[in-house]
Order: sequence, then C-alpha cells, then structure tokens
Amino acid sequence: GNSVTQMEGPVTLSEEAFLTINCTYTATGYPSLFWYVQYPGEGLQLLLKATKADDKGSNKGFEATYRKETTSFHLEKGSVQVSDSAVYFCALSDRGSQGNLIFGKGTKLSVKP
Amino acid sequence: DGGITQSPKYLFRKEGQNVTLSCEQNLNHDAMYWYRQDPGQGLRLIYYSQIVNDFQKGDIAEGYSVSREKKESFPLTVTSAQKNPTAFYLCASTAGQVSYEQYFGPGTRLTVT
Repeated sequence: GNSVTQMEGPVTLSEEAFLTINCTYTATGYPSLFWYVQYPGEGLQLLLKATKADDKGSNKGFEATYRKETTSFHLEKGSVQVSDSAVYFCALSDRGSQGNLIFGKGTKLSVKP
Repeated sequence: DGGITQSPKYLFRKEGQNVTLSCEQNLNHDAMYWYRQDPGQGLRLIYYSQIVNDFQKGDIAEGYSVSREKKESFPLTVTSAQKNPTAFYLCASTAGQVSYEQYFGPGTRLTVT
C-alpha cells in the first residue's frame, strides 16, 4: 500500500542554519505530494505541494522537489528562523485511494536563537 | 473569510459520556475528514465523507460516529465505546480537485477523565 517515511526527529538547529527534512514515499500511480506545518496547539497548514515529477513546490523560503526516480520529496530551507519551530508533515494523495492523504509521522523542528 | 471552524477549542467530559465535536466549512468543499492526533504522533483517519449523506470508515472508526446532512457540516461523536478518547481532533476538507490538498481546522482538544 501507499506510505510515507519521514526522518525521525526532533531536529534542533541554530538560527540561520540550513534545513533538510527527508521524506520518501511508496505509491502506485502518480501521487501528489505535500508538506504541512503544525504550530503548537494548532491545526495543520499547507506549506507547499507538487503534483507531478520534477515539480518544485515553494513557500516562505521552503522548497521541495518531486523526485520520481528516488521517490523523494525532501523539504529544504536555506536559513531557518526561530519562528520556523514547528512539526512538519510530509503527505501524499493518490487518486486511487479517493484522494485521501497518507501522512508521515511528522518531524519536530526546534530553532534556537 | 473562507475556512474551517471547529468548536470548542477545549472540551472536557467524564468517562461514559458521549460528546459531539463540531466542524463547519464555508469553502464549498465536497469532501470532509476527521483525524485523531495523539501526543508526538502523526494523524490517523477516523471517518471521511466524499458527499452529503454518505461517509466511510477510516483506519480507527471504532467508538466514533459521524453524520453528513449538510455539505458545510461534518460533526463527530465520540461515544462511550471509545476506549481512549483523550486526544487532539482535527477536521479537514478538500475540493477533491486535481491535487487533493486538504485544509484543516484549528482542532479540538478533548480530555476525558
């Protein structure tokens, strides 16, 4: 079945450091891929998405590229801020599963000043 | 402003009582979802509905019930049969278009003692 695997957290970085959160997936067909962010006590917010191979999603300085050859969708940011501290979820949707999202377990990021 | 509202933000109940969590959306989305999130965990799908008057069980439906009488509303009832009801509950919706991104409400934190 479809699945998403994220790197285990927590990840602790200093402000202005480079961020990578790895995400790989297993899916039949051609899924759409997403990154969501969850701040403490809140719901999930869509951060970025990509709907086909080689698409790059970007938002608020975050980027991720849909790599079909490596079945990956790694999240990157060149210079993190304290305000980026949150939990990040990778997810995929597959039209074959009625479009339901499959989520990774989440990666908690803490950025220190 | 369009969005998803969940109420209340915090809910406290005694063991053995049923409790209903509200979810309303004004995005004109067809599909709606309920997820459960436990501390430090990912999201688990409870129920979803692709269309009014129809819904399907997710991965952990036991002890929960839903209704979808209106397109805008998808209330979740946590019954006394749910063994571990204390959790953070998230509602989401999607237009079900090409990329299936889901939009989330702010969540309801349910505590049962």
